[in-house]
Amino acid sequence: EVQLVESGGGLVQPGRSLKLSCVASGFTFNNYWMTWIRQAPGKGLEWVASITNTGGSTYYPDSVKGRFTISRDNAKSTLYLQMNSLRSEDTATYYCTRDWRWFAYWGQGTLVTVSS
Amino acid sequence: DVVMTQTPPSLSVAIGQSVSISCKSSQSLVHSDGKTYLNWLLQNPGQSPKRLIYQVSNLGSGVPDRFSGTGSEKDFTLKISRVEAEDLGVYHCVQATHVPFTFGSGTKLEIK
Repeated sequence: EVQLVESGGGLVQPGRSLKLSCVASGFTFNNYWMTWIRQAPGKGLEWVASITNTGGSTYYPDSVKGRFTISRDNAKSTLYLQMNSLRSEDTATYYCTRDWRWFAYWGQGTLVTVSS
Repeated sequence: DVVMTQTPPSLSVAIGQSVSISCKSSQSLVHSDGKTYLNWLLQNPGQSPKRLIYQVSNLGSGVPDRFSGTGSEKDFTLKISRVEAEDLGVYHCVQATHVPFTFGSGTKLEIK
């Protein structure tokens, strides 16, 4: 059974940093691209970042480019999202998903609240 | 960026009825590889999204065949035949042809 378990969310002040993790199981992690998607409270979904299976290439929308970094440790079957210079508009539940075009599997999400 | 226009924003239907949700894109979603990366997701209340349909019309694993997807180019439809109570929630379309991937604003389905 595919499982994705996110962690690392919490309350953080504007301008500070936070690192999210997503531990994967039930599939061969290093065979799949991975993606982060977020959802602000009561709002729609937003693609945040994707990474190739080797970690050799990464992709971001303009809204987070230069502030967020997606990475992975295939030996640990773990996906990361380093978030710097956080803003109030980054407040959201962050989901880890397998693949990058098919959205087949989702984690339960981790809530990040950016507030002073 | 590709704008995904999803309608209606909300629906209220009785159990057993059929409903359709529309998603229109501002650009063709046909990728250079010939595939169309238009997916439909369902987010039940308080839950993570789950995939229903991928590449316009392919049913996800374990998804009942009451769900079906049609469309091409810029115009797509999700149809739910014989709505059941477990179908309530927010339906999202998402295009994964053009980077950045973009989502529709969602359709909230309520059960009468």
